[in-house]
Amino acid sequence: AQSVTQLGSHVSVSEGALVLLRCNYSSSVPPYLFWYVQYPNQGLQLLLKYTSAATLVKGINGFEAEFKKSETSFHLTKPSAHMSDAAEYFCAVTGYSTLTFGKGTMLLVSP
Amino acid sequence: EAGVTQFPSHSVIEKGQTVTLRCDPISGHDNLYWYRRVMGKEIKFLLHFVKESKQDESGMPNNRFLAERTGGTYSTLKVQPAELEDSGVYFCASSQNGARRQETQYFGPGTRLLVL
Repeated sequence: AQSVTQLGSHVSVSEGALVLLRCNYSSSVPPYLFWYVQYPNQGLQLLLKYTSAATLVKGINGFEAEFKKSETSFHLTKPSAHMSDAAEYFCAVTGYSTLTFGKGTMLLVSP
Repeated sequence: EAGVTQFPSHSVIEKGQTVTLRCDPISGHDNLYWYRRVMGKEIKFLLHFVKESKQDESGMPNNRFLAERTGGTYSTLKVQPAELEDSGVYFCASSQNGARRQETQYFGPGTRLLVL
């Protein structure tokens, strides 16, 4: 079975500050991990995914995530937040063909 | 290339009524998924089609939900009769090769369903 825990339903940062969104997973099979973002009134958009090729994964819009097997984590980071990063972020792990999502983290960016 | 589209974007119905949601996947994608997010909860898997066949429907909550994918193209999800707890956002996603676990699923904008 698969599960995902996202620590913090809301994270607030100032523009220009580091963004860190936490994701821990549990998986009965070697995991493939995803981060999706949902902007207001839009669908989920893939930010990046881990497919075992490299533990540090770079995605769109300057985001990256590091897979740490020993910590069962896949935290999402961005060095400098922009106002346009304000959205809801979802971490997900693949089962045999379906995605299991965390509850999501709303990122709030203040000027 | 057009993305996954869903119709309607919003639906408000009364308890006991019927609602049908539609999803058009990305052209050429054999795999189609339905997910649902109830307010305050995580996005949860409902079912998975491969072409017109149901590959996995383990997430369907009960027999008031009926999903079809005639001809392996678009899919419909019917809720009959709707209950208050069916309110939420229904997402559709598609992928090219569902047999590969690392395959990206592309999501539509969702249908926001409110049952009063």
